[in-house]
Amino acid sequence: RKEVEQDPGPFNVPEGATVAFNCTYSNSASQSFFWYRQDCRKEPKLLMSVYSSGNEDGRFTAQLNRASQYISLLIRDSKLSDSATYLCVVKLGGNKLVFGAGTILRVKS
Amino acid sequence: EAGVTQSPTHLIKTRGQQATLRCSPISGHTSVYWYQQALGLGLQFLLWYDEGEERNRGNFPPRFSGRQFPNYSSELNVNALELEDSALYLCASSSPGLAVRTDTQYFGPGTRLTVL
Repeated sequence: RKEVEQDPGPFNVPEGATVAFNCTYSNSASQSFFWYRQDCRKEPKLLMSVYSSGNEDGRFTAQLNRASQYISLLIRDSKLSDSATYLCVVKLGGNKLVFGAGTILRVKS
Repeated sequence: EAGVTQSPTHLIKTRGQQATLRCSPISGHTSVYWYQQALGLGLQFLLWYDEGEERNRGNFPPRFSGRQFPNYSSELNVNALELEDSALYLCASSSPGLAVRTDTQYFGPGTRLTVL
């Protein structure tokens, strides 16, 4: 079983749509959680950290359920520029980041 | 503020050779991390250096090694290159601090290593 599992997609959505990505992780000792965004042939960039209380940053909302070991990302009012691969990331001890394989989002006009 | 920088952008080597990749962290960051992203695969953790010491290592053979210099920049060395070492090698840095929320990792643009 992979340490971090994501639906690879692709998710093809029209502009303005709301889209949700889910992620599960296997290590209950995971310390912190993130969503990164990676554009084609570019480096990953931090989108947002994910906290147990849930957090929002503009059109993006992240949720964490530690009991279910489940992380989600909701994108509202999708823009063409949101097209990218979204990486679910957990941090283990020793500052090791474990990345999911990513979910591809394509926003179409 | 300058981000994480890496050099070279591209590197082409042949099997059995050695490759050296370089990384400069964000100013003020003391931790440097190395990751491998092979084509079609997710990022795999390689190494973590902090204050000049290797702090953690991923599941890679010993021919992957590195070091961190007093100015916190870092080198990744890959010896006896194999074809499957072809990948994008990403460096990340984070700032010191005890709080979990201060250790977000910021990535450089990567070095694309091709082994022929």
